[in-house]
Amino acid sequence: ETGVTQSPTHLIKTRGQQVTLRCSSQSGHNTVSWYQQALGQGPQFIFQYYREEENGRGNFPPRFSGLQFPNYSSELNVNALELDDSALYLCASSSLGTGDYGYTFGSGTRLTVV
Amino acid sequence: AQSVTQLDSQVPVFEEAPVELRCNYSSSVSVYLFWYVQYPNQGLQLLLKYLSGSTLVKGINGFEAEFNKSQTSFHLRKPSVHISDTAEYFCAVSDKGGGSYIPTFGRGTSLIVHP
Repeated sequence: ETGVTQSPTHLIKTRGQQVTLRCSSQSGHNTVSWYQQALGQGPQFIFQYYREEENGRGNFPPRFSGLQFPNYSSELNVNALELDDSALYLCASSSLGTGDYGYTFGSGTRLTVV
Repeated sequence: AQSVTQLDSQVPVFEEAPVELRCNYSSSVSVYLFWYVQYPNQGLQLLLKYLSGSTLVKGINGFEAEFNKSQTSFHLRKPSVHISDTAEYFCAVSDKGGGSYIPTFGRGTSLIVHP
């Protein structure tokens, strides 16, 4: 089975710009979640998508938005980038409704805002 | 809402010694519990999970954890560590019956294994 793949691996953006991060979920998984991990911190939940609908959202402003596509891949979009948005962004896929509650994580996208 | 406290930010230990990484959680409902490991410049990998049943859970790489409901703890243990166990370890909790089962993570414990 394929794992979770994220692209790009690294990205440098200027404050005020917009960015799109991409994620391909593990084969057989129907749910994608996005997390932000600042340096030295645990992952913070941004939002989750299940069957192309937002299924939960953490304490992040509306300039963080997302999409899930019919093949269960997903995008995270961040508008009006701020310096504090610099972090590792992790995508995780899972199988909601199957009784397996573990998440499979990708290796992340390291975003640096300058 | 649930929260997770990992009591130690860093745990240094010598190779072949036993180790325990502590995790306490708070939640008003029944929970699922997880431990993940993160190696440098990588994503998180599931070590083990407690969903129900036996409170002693065995995971990959020789790790195990014990769920203690009265103390709201889920400590991770390994009887003999290797240099390759050096990594960041995260405890996570999600509410049962929450629908989305979204895990909340602790801040992590850095396990440093010395030769």
